[in-house]
Amino acid sequence: DSGVTQTPKHLITATGQRVTLRCSPRSGDLSVYWYQQSLDQGLQFLIQYYNGEERAKGNILERFSAQQFPDLHSELNLSSLELGDSALYFCASSVDGFRADTQYFGPGTRLTVL
Amino acid sequence: DAKTTQPNSMESNEEEPVHLPCNHSTISGTDYIHWYRQLPSQGPEYVIHGLTSNVNNRMASLAIAEDRKSSTLILHRATLRDAAVYYCILLNTGFQKLVFGTGTRLLVSP
Repeated sequence: DSGVTQTPKHLITATGQRVTLRCSPRSGDLSVYWYQQSLDQGLQFLIQYYNGEERAKGNILERFSAQQFPDLHSELNLSSLELGDSALYFCASSVDGFRADTQYFGPGTRLTVL
Repeated sequence: DAKTTQPNSMESNEEEPVHLPCNHSTISGTDYIHWYRQLPSQGPEYVIHGLTSNVNNRMASLAIAEDRKSSTLILHRATLRDAAVYYCILLNTGFQKLVFGTGTRLLVSP
């Protein structure tokens, strides 16, 4: 158990819908990362937050947004969902966001868009 | 992002040592070498990391070439639980995003 929790575990929805994925980092970790894992693209970095502020952005679509709240939990919002958004979404956390730090991954949320 | 090259797959027998190679010929002086693994149906898991010197922890050892252009992850006695995809990743101080390649799928036979 990494100490990172993600909810829900599974999510099934329809195209055009909007969903919110939630992540709670390990106690004491200030940085949260979101990654997407699909069959054709592998594991890809989406976005990083540090202490409530966006720190780095990767291949995140404009239909996707994220935020980190004062209690340090984070949410990833996916809107206007398409079939291709079906994937595993992982959240990771680390102590800070400035060193080559170990990232601890959650169990993931499996999103299925029908 | 500096690139790493790993074999697509490797096989081992249980209780034998496993050496997983990684080439990173364009590594910069401030790049750390990190290894993560992903067991089936789980999120990636940190294994080990190093900068210049060889490193040991309870999970594995990391041997880094003197010119740092390659490294080897060593599992001293493979178990069935070690069957996973192993990713070698270069991480620069100040840039935290992990860039995952295709990794090496390790198959462990009883």
